[in-house]
Amino acid sequence: GAVVSQHPSWVICKSGTSVKIECRSLDFQATTMFWYRQFPKQSLMLMATSNEGSKATYEQGVEKDKFLINHASLTLSTLTVTSAHPEDSSFYICSASPMAGPDNEQFFGPGTRLTVL
Amino acid sequence: QQQVKQSPQSLIVQKGGISIINCAYENTAFDYFPWYQQFPGKGPALLIAIRPDVSEKKEGRFTISFNKSAKQFSLHIMDSQPGDSATYFCAAGNDYKLSFGAGTTVTVRA
Repeated sequence: GAVVSQHPSWVICKSGTSVKIECRSLDFQATTMFWYRQFPKQSLMLMATSNEGSKATYEQGVEKDKFLINHASLTLSTLTVTSAHPEDSSFYICSASPMAGPDNEQFFGPGTRLTVL
Repeated sequence: QQQVKQSPQSLIVQKGGISIINCAYENTAFDYFPWYQQFPGKGPALLIAIRPDVSEKKEGRFTISFNKSAKQFSLHIMDSQPGDSATYFCAAGNDYKLSFGAGTTVTVRA
């Protein structure tokens, strides 16, 4: 149980284009979903927190107009990187907290490797 | 400003040995302390977690020791195996967010 999927697993795009990444909780409903960014050999950096049906809460320094988050249902959240540039190249990971689980418990997706040329 | 400090940055252990990773925190509001294992190119996987009302929790070869007064917690991997070679992250949570340590790369030599 507690499986989270992400699609795509990797994407290469040209500078200036937009990329959408999907995050799904496959076998549970998620109260909250989170989006993280991870650079090589570094820790996870929380970008934003989203709850179904409401606006995402962004961490300090994260541009909300560049990283658009939509939380359409209790099992699906999407991150759109708008007008991507090479510095946006990174590993993006989502996580989800089960509605029925203990507080704070998060299960992570497999990540999406974004490369912007 | 990192809220959770993790050490060592890396460690090498022989097969069958014990790996020990330590974490410290300052925020006494933290009430959830998980450990995650991450392989290259993959998302982190929840290994084991503890709440502050318990001083130790064991699941298979993995044990968390928690010292509330010292605001420290550690992960012990017993009988380390080559398949345990990965990066381990400690984290601390309150409300609904997690703060992660910097990570420890563990290499188990056969």
